[in-house]
Amino acid sequence: SQQGEEDPQALSIQEGENATMNCSYKTSINNLQWYRQNSGRGLVHLILIRSNEREKHSGRLRVTLDTSKKSSSLLITASRAADTASYFCATATNSGNTPLVFGKGTRLSVIA
Amino acid sequence: GAVVSQHPSWVICKSGTSVKIECRSLDFQATTMFWYRQFPKKSLMLMATSNEGSKATYEQGVEKDKFLINHASLTLSTLTVTSAHPEDSSFYICSARDPFPGGPWAEQFFGPGTRLTVL
Repeated sequence: SQQGEEDPQALSIQEGENATMNCSYKTSINNLQWYRQNSGRGLVHLILIRSNEREKHSGRLRVTLDTSKKSSSLLITASRAADTASYFCATATNSGNTPLVFGKGTRLSVIA
Repeated sequence: GAVVSQHPSWVICKSGTSVKIECRSLDFQATTMFWYRQFPKKSLMLMATSNEGSKATYEQGVEKDKFLINHASLTLSTLTVTSAHPEDSSFYICSARDPFPGGPWAEQFFGPGTRLTVL
């Protein structure tokens, strides 16, 4: 079953602008991960944030996690045309070695 | 990070034939692998959990007789789409965790996917 819900479903911005994508989930988690997928290609792991963490940075990426609201956000700063892709959040439960459950994704278009 | 490979990367077959997709963990042993399916412009949906040496666990709504999973070794799981039909056309992605040293909540590594087109 699909747990995460991303919004917006689609986002179009100009190069250089920041892009913010949100993800909500339903059950308790051990960690939440963000992935990128270019059209027709495989997944690229971006960042993992654990349930006891509130914020994490990696390059131009900033992820926040609010477990009380069961939500996470992914911020891409100074976006580039190459950031055009679909972005998915995925959650891992506390059961251990259970599969990631993916949200519906946000399709980001960065216009040069 | 750990590497998961899939073969083939794409396949076109006639309706009614069977297609086998292989998923390998190249530099680690995976007792558990996961199979996902992704339709165009949609998200990944978990199909089944493949367990080495035992039967796969299928998600609700996934026909186990249609999607045969075999996890014969710690580095190989196969998904066979039997009697394929056009509606089975999809992007199939496998994934696995390297339990050491990451533990059960370690990063899940994904294969590059297999695009199946059934004519």
